[in-house]
Parts: sequence; structure tokens; C-alpha cells
Amino acid sequence: DAGITQSPRYKITETGRQVTLMCHQTWSHSYMFWYRQDLGHGLRLIYYSAAADITDKGEVPDGYVVSRSKTENFPLTLESATRSQTSVYFCASRQDREGYFGPGTRLTVT
Amino acid sequence: QKEVEQNSGPLSVPEGAIASLNCTYSDRVSQSFFWYRQYSGKSPELIMSIYSNGDKEDGRFTAQLNKASQYVSLLIRDSQPSDSATYLCAVKGRGSTLGRLYFGRGTQLTVWP
Repeated sequence: DAGITQSPRYKITETGRQVTLMCHQTWSHSYMFWYRQDLGHGLRLIYYSAAADITDKGEVPDGYVVSRSKTENFPLTLESATRSQTSVYFCASRQDREGYFGPGTRLTVT
Repeated sequence: QKEVEQNSGPLSVPEGAIASLNCTYSDRVSQSFFWYRQYSGKSPELIMSIYSNGDKEDGRFTAQLNKASQYVSLLIRDSQPSDSATYLCAVKGRGSTLGRLYFGRGTQLTVWP
């Protein structure tokens, strides 16, 4: 099925652990994005990518690492999770005027 | 830093009324504008895009763009309870940030029966 998927959908982890959130899109869109959404802050861009092997920081990149070795995948890694990274994470992809969000990953750091 | 500002809301309208959602942006030469709808617990969904001054209609939704005044609005006619959601305004970046969308914080809309 065409679309954008995220995994896992829910994750509970402990402070200090490394966590990787996966994002996969089937449209071959050039651009992919990672956002976090927290009450009172709206959507905040963490990282984005214009193409394979091209990534750039967004508004809140600290504590996160991304890679994009293939056009369709854009994983987000929390190197050492902190409680402040408890949030809902959305992946998105876009090509020209069409853009779509994934279903989100709810991450809780205890 | 590009800024996108929206009515803080929440906005509450009765069923059948017109809901008006407003958005202003700071970059005078922005070209592309989008409205997303986000139901509680769900991901944002693109509902309208507009690129030229004036109105763009799609069913019960009308997007209005005024570049001189740097605002974009979304009108929802004959509002339904199913329209209750948070509406996010987004502006596309230019130049080195061409691929990005800059989002407002959203306006929460409640349509009561």
C-alpha cells in the first residue's frame, strides 16, 4: 500500500537509552521531515532531508540524530533519551505541493 | 526565523454556521500556503493549499489569500460537528529553506450541535 508509515506507534523507554523511530514512505518523495508535537508548542521541526544523504537541522535538533541512506527511509535516533523528549513524533514527506504525515509515534521516557 | 501566527482560539461555532480561521505570516515574499486539519490523537491532514491572491474553494472550504496584508484564512461553511479539530496554517519556505513548511500553533475549532 502506498503511504507513509512509522514504527513503533508507541514506545516506553528509560532515561539514557538509545531509541530509534522508523519512517518509511512509498511515494519516493524527495523531502522528509521529523516533527515533535507537545502541548503548548505545536509542531516543531527536528530534522529534515531534501534527498538521500542530505539532511539539515530544524528548530530543535539537540539530542537527535538522523540518516537517510535510501530515499524511502528516514530514521530518527535519540542517542540518550531524556524525559524532555517524551512527545508525539510525526514523520512527514513532501514533493512539490503534496505533503503527508505519518500516523505518529507516542514516545514516553521514564 | 519565519513566523506564522494563528488565532489562539479555541473557536466555538454552532452547527451550520461559518467558521473563520485566520493566519498571518512574517515573510513578505512567501508564495505557498497550506491548511492542515488535525483531529485529536491523529496526524495532520492537508485540506487546502493556495498560491495566488484571492479565494480558492473546495466544497465547504474556502481559502483566502491576501499577500499585501500577509494573511491567509480558511472559511468553513455549514460547519458540522465533524469539523471539530485543530487547524494548522503552514507557509512554505524559500531559498535555502525551500523544502520546509513553517507551521502556526493551530486553532482549535469546536462545532456544537
